[in-house]
Amino acid sequence: GDSVTQMEGPVTLSEEAFLTINCTYTATGYPSLFWYVQYPGEGLQLLLKATKADDKGSNKGFEATYRKETTSFHLEKGSVQVSDSAVYFCALSEGGSYQLTFGKGTKLSVIP
Amino acid sequence: EAQVTQNPRYLITVTGKKLTVTCSQNMNHEYMSWYRQDPGLGLRQIYYSMNVEVTDKGDVPEGYKVSRKEKRNFPLILESPSPNQTSLYFCASSFRGAYNEQFFGPGTRLTVL
Repeated sequence: GDSVTQMEGPVTLSEEAFLTINCTYTATGYPSLFWYVQYPGEGLQLLLKATKADDKGSNKGFEATYRKETTSFHLEKGSVQVSDSAVYFCALSEGGSYQLTFGKGTKLSVIP
Repeated sequence: EAQVTQNPRYLITVTGKKLTVTCSQNMNHEYMSWYRQDPGLGLRQIYYSMNVEVTDKGDVPEGYKVSRKEKRNFPLILESPSPNQTSLYFCASSFRGAYNEQFFGPGTRLTVL
């Protein structure tokens, strides 16, 4: 079945550092890929998505590119802020599917 | 304001005492889903609903029931809760299907003693 593997945390960075959170996936078809973010004490919210190979999703300075050849969707940000401290989840959904498969999440802490 | 609401937000109960966690959305979404979040396991899907009166099992449905009698509501029922159902539960909705952006509720933290 489908699965998502993302780098284990926690990840601690200083403000303005570069962020990469790795995500790779296994799927039988051509999934849509997502990054969701969970701020402390809140539900998840969509950060960005990509629906086909070579698509780049971007939002709030975060970017991720759908790489079919490496089955990856790594999340990057050039300069993190304290307000980016959260848990980040990579997820996939096959086209037309009613199921969303999540990775285990990566906790990011940004210190001033 | 577009939102997904859940009640209660926190619940402590005892083994075997039936409980219901309510979920409601005001966005006229067709799709709704329940997830549980556990440390080290991420989010796992319990049940989902494609529309009124149409539901299906997710990855971890054992011990749970759902119903979808109205488009806006999707309650999660634990007929006989057990300690291994202690978890953080999230309800989510989207316009149609999991491949669209899902909007999540604030979560319900359940403890079963």
